[in-house]
Amino acid sequence: AIQLTQSPSSLSASVGDRVTITCRTSQGISSALAWYQQKPGKAPNLLIYDASSLESGVPSRFSGSGSGTDFTLTISSLQPEDFATYYCQQFNNYPLTFGGGTKVEIK
Amino acid sequence: EVQLVQSGAEVKKPGESLKISCKASGYSFTSYWIGWVRQMPGKGLEWMGIIHPGDSDTTYSPSFQGQVTISADKSISTAYLQWRSLKASDTAMYYCARLVGATMYNWFDPWGQGTQVTVSS
Repeated sequence: AIQLTQSPSSLSASVGDRVTITCRTSQGISSALAWYQQKPGKAPNLLIYDASSLESGVPSRFSGSGSGTDFTLTISSLQPEDFATYYCQQFNNYPLTFGGGTKVEIK
Repeated sequence: EVQLVQSGAEVKKPGESLKISCKASGYSFTSYWIGWVRQMPGKGLEWMGIIHPGDSDTTYSPSFQGQVTISADKSISTAYLQWRSLKASDTAMYYCARLVGATMYNWFDPWGQGTQVTVSS
């Protein structure tokens, strides 16, 4: 199975900060990566698909980049509603796998 | 609007059986794969398996193969996740989610609201 390693596992940031989360895969997956946001007590919500395509309705401060084994989710200016846990997921190979998550907390 | 609505929270004893459901609406149920994802308390997301309701083709994660059964009833646009004998370690939130697009190689959107399963003696 392809392993996805997210870093950091948690971070503290202030409103307005630029935040970058990394997802590294154990083998190349081209651009077959999605990013989700999960708030406490809620289901995950799709942010980015195909590594860099912004899901309709998701604010433009979110962006994704990367291909192969190294991927990045960037929040250009952190807003209060962005404090949540973020997960990457690969869909290039079965079994489908998720990263361990990155919790973004208020500094 | 594409929507997945899951059945309510369950409290069961070890050894009991359970079947939870995920009712789809707003799209052609038989055209898209539906998957199940586990989230144990305070932990991350784990993919369990998927089913294509059109022909009931099913693929399981090796971690869950033999532990659960995924099925679908296309007459009522509902997918199911079933256990024959629950364990305390099955305590978790379970989400259903639709794969976008016609193939298995896609991301999940949308997600159901989740079903909390608690197994305790």
